[in-house]
Amino acid sequence: GENVEQHPSTLSVQEGDSAVIKCTYSDSASNYFPWYKQELGKRPQLIIDIRSNVGEKKDQRIAVTLNKTAKHFSLHITETQPEDSAVYFCAARGTAGNKLTFGGGTRVLVKP
Amino acid sequence: EADIYQTPRYLVIGTGKKITLECSQTMGHDKMYWYQQDPGMELHLIHYSYGVNSTEKGDLSSESTVSRIRTEHFPLTLESARPSHTSQYLCASSDGGEKLFFGSGTQLSVL
Repeated sequence: GENVEQHPSTLSVQEGDSAVIKCTYSDSASNYFPWYKQELGKRPQLIIDIRSNVGEKKDQRIAVTLNKTAKHFSLHITETQPEDSAVYFCAARGTAGNKLTFGGGTRVLVKP
Repeated sequence: EADIYQTPRYLVIGTGKKITLECSQTMGHDKMYWYQQDPGMELHLIHYSYGVNSTEKGDLSSESTVSRIRTEHFPLTLESARPSHTSQYLCASSDGGEKLFFGSGTQLSVL
């Protein structure tokens, strides 16, 4: 089945700086890659996603890039703010059972 | 308001008890999922369903069972709770697209 690895596990940045989280996946046929944000004590929520026919997608201060050849995708947060502090999960949809497999999560702390 | 609801929000129970975690969604979604998550840690898929009378085991082995008799309802049952079952259980649903809508979760503590 699909295997997703996420790095780093923790990331501390100064307010206003950029944050980058990277994920690799194993199933070359995977075609959908979402990112979820989970604030402390809250439910995970989708913040951005990308499909395999697109190389980059941007939504205000967040962007996701996909490299199908290398089988990795990344989340970029620019001009970070304290409210960006949360755990971020990447995921990939493989071909087995059409299910999402999540990465291990990245705890992001934005220091004011 | 269309949403996905989980009850109870917190549950503390003794070893050996039978428990059922409730999950209901009012969005008319066909697909529903149960994830197990320790606080801030990885989400592990334990069960999923693509429609009524359809249930499958997920990637993480679990001693729990599920049923899907109605589209909107996807309860999870533990026949005999153990301390190793202590965790947060998140229910989710999705429509024909891929976006998952998560419930607020049930934090289970087994003493």
